[in-house]
Amino acid sequence: DAKTTQPPSMDCAEGRAANLPCNHSTISGNEYVYWYRQIHSQGPQYIIHGLKNNETNEMASLIITEDRKSSTLILPHATLRDTAVYYCIVRANAGGTSYGKLTFGQGTILTVHP
Amino acid sequence: DSGVTQTPKHLITATGQRVTLRCSPRSGDLSVYWYQQSLDQGLQFLIQYYNGEERAKGNILERFSAQQFPDLHSELNLSSLELGDSALYFCASSASGASGNTIYFGEGSWLTVV
Repeated sequence: DAKTTQPPSMDCAEGRAANLPCNHSTISGNEYVYWYRQIHSQGPQYIIHGLKNNETNEMASLIITEDRKSSTLILPHATLRDTAVYYCIVRANAGGTSYGKLTFGQGTILTVHP
Repeated sequence: DSGVTQTPKHLITATGQRVTLRCSPRSGDLSVYWYQQSLDQGLQFLIQYYNGEERAKGNILERFSAQQFPDLHSELNLSSLELGDSALYFCASSASGASGNTIYFGEGSWLTVV
């Protein structure tokens, strides 16, 4: 699986946009970038994923660079409830021994403060 | 609510005992994944099943086993339990193993071994 690099922690003021970066320079052409978050030992929550194009849903936006070597998750108006560990994961395509599982790294601890 | 149901939510048992954790995947999902999260480790992939067959294996101990039944629910069996097995165990499911199919997680089963 392609490895990802994320900053260990970030801060954001409530109401402002939170921009979480992720480097994945060894990503392969058919691998997706996924973002999950985990709030205090709850189950990881799916946020968004993308392959090449930028994506937006009701939770966040995902910006993937043209060379696909990095991406940014954007929470447009962060709230205190967005405080969590955010995981950027490059998901291997099904096949071989990986069969599409998610490999979690250490993630970024995002703290949203008032 | 992700649609993935795990039981029990909490379990306390003694060393040397055996427990079974149960997972009901989202309706229609054929692939089930098991993860372990202990205090000093991140989310560790244990094993994956697809439509009843084992597809990928991670850091799963020989004392642990899993299976997926014809109705697609899955069970994770943990035997000869040790103190170090105390952890959160998550089940997740997806439609298939393809990397474009989102994986959704349950809320986990807290296992405490005393």
